Amino acid sequence: AQSVTQLGSHVSVSEGALVLLRCNYSSSVPPYLFWYVQYPNQGLQLLLKYTTGATLVKGINGFEAEFKKSETSFHLTKPSAHMSDAAEYFCAAYTGTASKLTFGTGTRLQVTL
Amino acid sequence: NAGVTQTPKFQVLKTGQSMTLQCAQDMNHNSMYWYRQDPGMGLRLIYYSASEGTTDKGEVPNGYNVSRLNKREFSLRLESAAPSQTSVYFCASSGGTSVQETQYFGPGTRLLVL
Repeated sequence: AQSVTQLGSHVSVSEGALVLLRCNYSSSVPPYLFWYVQYPNQGLQLLLKYTTGATLVKGINGFEAEFKKSETSFHLTKPSAHMSDAAEYFCAAYTGTASKLTFGTGTRLQVTL
Repeated sequence: NAGVTQTPKFQVLKTGQSMTLQCAQDMNHNSMYWYRQDPGMGLRLIYYSASEGTTDKGEVPNGYNVSRLNKREFSLRLESAAPSQTSVYFCASSGGTSVQETQYFGPGTRLLVL
């Protein structure tokens, strides 16, 4: 069964520091991968997605993620954190089964001054 | 465009009561979904509707029923609420069920079952 693992339920970075949120997936077939962001008391918003093509994917708000098949990873990065980046981030994957989007447990990002 | 809207925003129920959560989208999407979000568990799919007139079970369907009223609306019903159904419920929609499609989420309904 497909699973998505996010390492670290809470990550704290200083404003201006690198943001790295980790996501690994387990699957015997190439998955389709997504990162969503959830701001407090709001729904989820798509940050970026990998389906086919270039393995380095750029998203909104300066975030990007790299699909590494050999490491079964899809880590999310941003070179310089901003206070407005404080939110919960979810990695998700499709395995090809129609409509079945599997989410990780989420990582809450805290940005400090 | 309002996107995906959900009502109510917040609800308190007593064990055994019933209620219906409403969801509507104005993006002319074919597919709609209901998820629940619990601390430390991410989002889990309850039911989905690939197209008008069809519904299918997701990962955690027990205790819930759904209705795809028309292309715009997809409701979730709790017939006899239990404390284990205390959660935040999200509705989402997408153009189709292809992996290329992005799911768009509503703002959520916070449900507390006492």
